[in-house]
Amino acid sequence: AQSVTQLGSHVSVSEGALVLLRCNYSSSVPPYLFWYVQYPNQGLQLLLKYTSAATLVKGINGFEAEFKKSETSFHLTKPSAHMSDAAEYFCAVSDGDSSYKLIFGSGTRLLVRP
Amino acid sequence: DTAVSQTPKYLVTQMGNDKSIKCEQNLGHDTMYWYKQDSKKFLKIMFSYNNKELIINETVPNRFSPKSPDKAHLNLHINSLELGDSAVYFCASSLKAEAFFGQGTRLTVV
Repeated sequence: AQSVTQLGSHVSVSEGALVLLRCNYSSSVPPYLFWYVQYPNQGLQLLLKYTSAATLVKGINGFEAEFKKSETSFHLTKPSAHMSDAAEYFCAVSDGDSSYKLIFGSGTRLLVRP
Repeated sequence: DTAVSQTPKYLVTQMGNDKSIKCEQNLGHDTMYWYKQDSKKFLKIMFSYNNKELIINETVPNRFSPKSPDKAHLNLHINSLELGDSAVYFCASSLKAEAFFGQGTRLTVV
C-alpha cells in the first residue's frame, strides 16, 4: 500500500531563508509525486509534480523538488521564503493506476517570520 | 472561468438532515473525485468516477451517495447527517495524474 510521511507538522523560517519541507513515500511501483499548497479557506493548488521524467522538478512560485529513489524522498525547497508562502503544504503520491487517486501526507504548516 | 466549481461553499445543518453538494468541471476531464479533509487537515479519497462510472469507493458509509449525471458533474448526497460528518469536502478532476481541486465545501453538522 502506498503511503506518504511528512516530517514536521509545522516549519517556521525567517523571510528570505531557505525553505525545506520533507516528504518520504512508500510505493511498490514507480510513483507519481506531487506537492500541493493550501491557503486558508482555499482549495488545493498544484505546486509541482514528478511523473518519471527529470528528477529535479521546478514548480510555481520558485519552488522545486528532487525525486530521490534511493531515499524514497521528494523534499520541497525554495531558496528564499516570502511572507506570501505561509500556507499548508501537502505531499501526495499516486501509483498511476486507472484511478490516479492521490494519497496525501498529513501536511506541513509553513510559517514565515518577518 | 473556474475550472472545478462546487456549491455551496458553506453548509450548516442539523443532525439527521439530508444534504447535497454539487460539483462541476469545465476541463473536459474523464475522472472526478470527492476528498474529505478533517479537522486536522488530513485529506482522504472518498470516491472516484471515470466517465460516469464509479471506480473507487473507499469504505465510505452508505449514507454517502455520489452521483455523476455526466462526466462534467459529480454530486455528493449525504443522508442522515452525523456530527462526525463535519469536514471540508473537496471535489477534484483529472485527465491523468494531475488533479485540479475545487474550493471546497465546509460542512458543519450541529
